[in-house]
Amino acid sequence: QLQLQESGPGLVKPSETLSLTCTVSGGSISSSSYYWGWIRQPPGKGLEWIGSIYYSGSTYYNPSLKSRVTISVDTSKNQFSLKLSSVTAADTAVYYCARHVEAVAGHYYYYYMDVWGKGTTVTVSS
Amino acid sequence: SYELTQPLSVSVALGQTARITCGGNNIGSKNVHWYQQKPGQAPVLVIYRDSNRPSGIPERFSGSNSGNTATLTISRAQAGDEADYYCQVWDSSTANVVFGGGTKLTVL
Repeated sequence: QLQLQESGPGLVKPSETLSLTCTVSGGSISSSSYYWGWIRQPPGKGLEWIGSIYYSGSTYYNPSLKSRVTISVDTSKNQFSLKLSSVTAADTAVYYCARHVEAVAGHYYYYYMDVWGKGTTVTVSS
Repeated sequence: SYELTQPLSVSVALGQTARITCGGNNIGSKNVHWYQQKPGQAPVLVIYRDSNRPSGIPERFSGSNSGNTATLTISRAQAGDEADYYCQVWDSSTANVVFGGGTKLTVL
């Protein structure tokens, strides 16, 4: 079945760039009707959506993080990646990657996450 | 920006029915999705598009959505249902996924 696995450094210094990769197995990242994205959860807090990408490269970003976020896709490796620049301690969190289902209701699209990775902890500290 | 409001906590007696609400302006016009998250684990989708259960989710989980409130209902609550529950919508005006703050369900 479809599985997602996050990977990347667990410790990032303040002001540097956080980089994570999500590897998709058991299915193709180039499937239609799916976006692929990132969600994070600071310690003891709720979920925060970061953004998502289609295999063609089309992206959506959380407006509150947009200036610092880049999500990219590598279809040849069945992977997508997250870069978050100028990190601070507030970016310390568990980072999840997830498949986003794209569905239509009437005249508009909507999205939800049906398959999640296990998550990876990233700490921002010097 | 669109906001979703959930109670911080809900308690239910073993075997009884738990209801977790998610409030938002005219949320009945949106599609609402619910996730269950147990400690140390990734979230799991339990309801999508207001009232649909993914494969493998027990029939005890159901959802509804009308007016300014969406509700996740868990019938015959079990100890294994103790978890945090999050509602989620897509805000098309800002092209943004929005989560509620989460509700901790305790089964007594």
